[in-house]
Amino acid sequence: GIQVEQSPPDLILQEGANSTLRCNFSDSVNNLQWFHQNPWGQLINLFYIPSGTKQNGRLSATTVATERYSLLYISSSQTTDSGVYFCAVGGSGGSYIPTFGRGTSLIVHP
Amino acid sequence: DTGVSQDPRHKITKRGQNVTFRCDPISEHNRLYWYRQTLGQGPEFLTYFQNEAQLEKSRLLSDRFSAERPKGSFSTLEIQRTEQGDSAMYLCASSRQAGYTFGSGTRLTVV
Repeated sequence: GIQVEQSPPDLILQEGANSTLRCNFSDSVNNLQWFHQNPWGQLINLFYIPSGTKQNGRLSATTVATERYSLLYISSSQTTDSGVYFCAVGGSGGSYIPTFGRGTSLIVHP
Repeated sequence: DTGVSQDPRHKITKRGQNVTFRCDPISEHNRLYWYRQTLGQGPEFLTYFQNEAQLEKSRLLSDRFSAERPKGSFSTLEIQRTEQGDSAMYLCASSRQAGYTFGSGTRLTVV
């Protein structure tokens, strides 16, 4: 199956800092999503972005499908951004079902 | 839009017992997914329904696991003869086309 690697595995920031999270995948995909899992375990869909660039407030994401990676940008981080960020990709081998990476754990200190 | 509801939120069971979880998706979503998540890992796919048809099952889904979605509405996931290795968060998600909405999950502890 498709391999999904996320980096860095852990990230600690001071409030107000910017960050970039990366997702590399091993095969062509037609489905890519970014999620935030808050400290209470709830998964929130941030972006559906199989290609191109999208922005939503302080968050933006870019997927370069031909080079098999996606980036999630967080600007002016806030303590509420803390949690785990997951990339999920699908569409490889005829299966639509997304495979999740292991996530990037983000802690934002006040 | 009331979101995806899962019940119960927590379940503690003795090894060998059967458990059943319920998921109510967003009403207009025809796709429903079950995932399992253990500590420090991303969610792992278990099974997928489009309407009432179960279209994909992971190899992770042993014979002790069964899922149904009668009438294409709510879904149930049953685990028979639970084992300690079944302890995990069981997550349900639904979608119409692109982009999942997840429920809050059911945390299962097998003692």
